[in-house]
Amino acid sequence: KQEVTQIPAALSVPEGENLVLNCSFTDSAIYNLQWFRQDPGKGLTSLLLIQSSQREQTSGRLNASLDKSSGRSTLYIAASQPGDSATYLCAAYYGQNFVFGPGTRLSVLP
Amino acid sequence: ETGVTQSPTHLIKTRGQQVTLRCSSQSGHNTVSWYQQALGQGPQFIFQYYREEENGRGNFPPRFSGLQFPNYSSELNVNALELDDSALYLCASTRWGSPSIEQFFGPGTRLTVL
Repeated sequence: KQEVTQIPAALSVPEGENLVLNCSFTDSAIYNLQWFRQDPGKGLTSLLLIQSSQREQTSGRLNASLDKSSGRSTLYIAASQPGDSATYLCAAYYGQNFVFGPGTRLSVLP
Repeated sequence: ETGVTQSPTHLIKTRGQQVTLRCSSQSGHNTVSWYQQALGQGPQFIFQYYREEENGRGNFPPRFSGLQFPNYSSELNVNALELDDSALYLCASTRWGSPSIEQFFGPGTRLTVL
């Protein structure tokens, strides 16, 4: 069964800290892995997409890595800001549909 | 190009009723997927439509059904609503490319079943 898990479930940090969100997937036959941000009651905002042949992607203060062999991805956020507070979802794409993790709820305190 | 749009934004129904949610896919995208996101959980795959045919289904009962139209827009229909159907329903369209396959999500429809 294809499953995605995320650790931690929730995280609270002071502004300015660097932080790492973790994602694990059971089936390594992914096409790609995508990280999303979701604000309360809102839809999904795509942050980074990593193809199965890639090791990492960067956008601004965000860096995502992918290790297919170990079934893991990490999202690194540098110099966190209060505006980064949201739920971060990891999703593994298997050619037809995403399998989502439950998300990490991030609070960045001013 | 326009993004994925969904209507309505919010909807309140009572148990046992039927509901129809609508999605317009991004221009040129012929594949639409629907997901259900319960409060505090990640989205769960309901089904996918490709060129007007159902092309895969998650673990949802038959009272969840769909349609895709020639312009690739789509509907999600839910019959005999239950309290547990209360959720955010997300629609996504797929851009097929090589090597990149990417899904683009709409803003969602919030369904509340009383």
